[in-house]
Amino acid sequence: GENVEQHPSTLSVQEGDSAVIKCTYSDSASNYFPWYKQELGKRPQLIIDIRSNVGEKKDQRIAVTLNKTAKHFSLHITETQPEDSAVYFCAASIRWPGAGSYQLTFGKGTKLSVIP
Amino acid sequence: DVKVTQSSRYLVKRTGEKVFLECVQDMDHENMFWYRQDPGLGLRLIYFSYDVKMKEKGDIPEGYSVSREKKERFSLILESASTNQTSMYLCASSSQQGSGNTIYFGEGSWLTVV
Repeated sequence: GENVEQHPSTLSVQEGDSAVIKCTYSDSASNYFPWYKQELGKRPQLIIDIRSNVGEKKDQRIAVTLNKTAKHFSLHITETQPEDSAVYFCAASIRWPGAGSYQLTFGKGTKLSVIP
Repeated sequence: DVKVTQSSRYLVKRTGEKVFLECVQDMDHENMFWYRQDPGLGLRLIYFSYDVKMKEKGDIPEGYSVSREKKERFSLILESASTNQTSMYLCASSSQQGSGNTIYFGEGSWLTVV
């Protein structure tokens, strides 16, 4: 099955600096790569995703890049703000045979702290 | 707005008890999931269901079972709770339509087994 490695496990940055979180995956059939943000005590929520036919996607201060050859993808947050402090999870998915649905495998998470 | 509701936010159960965690979604999603979240281990899939009465094992199904009798409801069952099942349990749902399949999570259920 799919295996997703996520680094670093913790990350501290000064407000205004950039933050980068990296993930690698093992299954070359994976074709969908979402990123979730989980604030303390809250549910994980999708912040950005990318598909295997795209190399980069940007949404305001966040961007995701994908290198299919190397099987890794990264989340980039620019001009970080204290409200960006949370745990971030990457995930990779493959279509579940016969089920018409994607099965997501998550990384172990990165705790980002933005220091004012 | 998608709503995934988990009936119990905090539960304390005794070892050996049978535990039911209930989840309801209101978006007519075909897929429903149960994940377990532990510090340092991320989100691990226990079971998922892609249709009524259909279920598939995830990465860590041992000690758990599920039930999906209605499309909107997906239950996680611990037949005989053990202390190593103390954790946060997240229910989620997604649609099979389109190519997005964004997963929407519930608020989570904190289970303590003593």
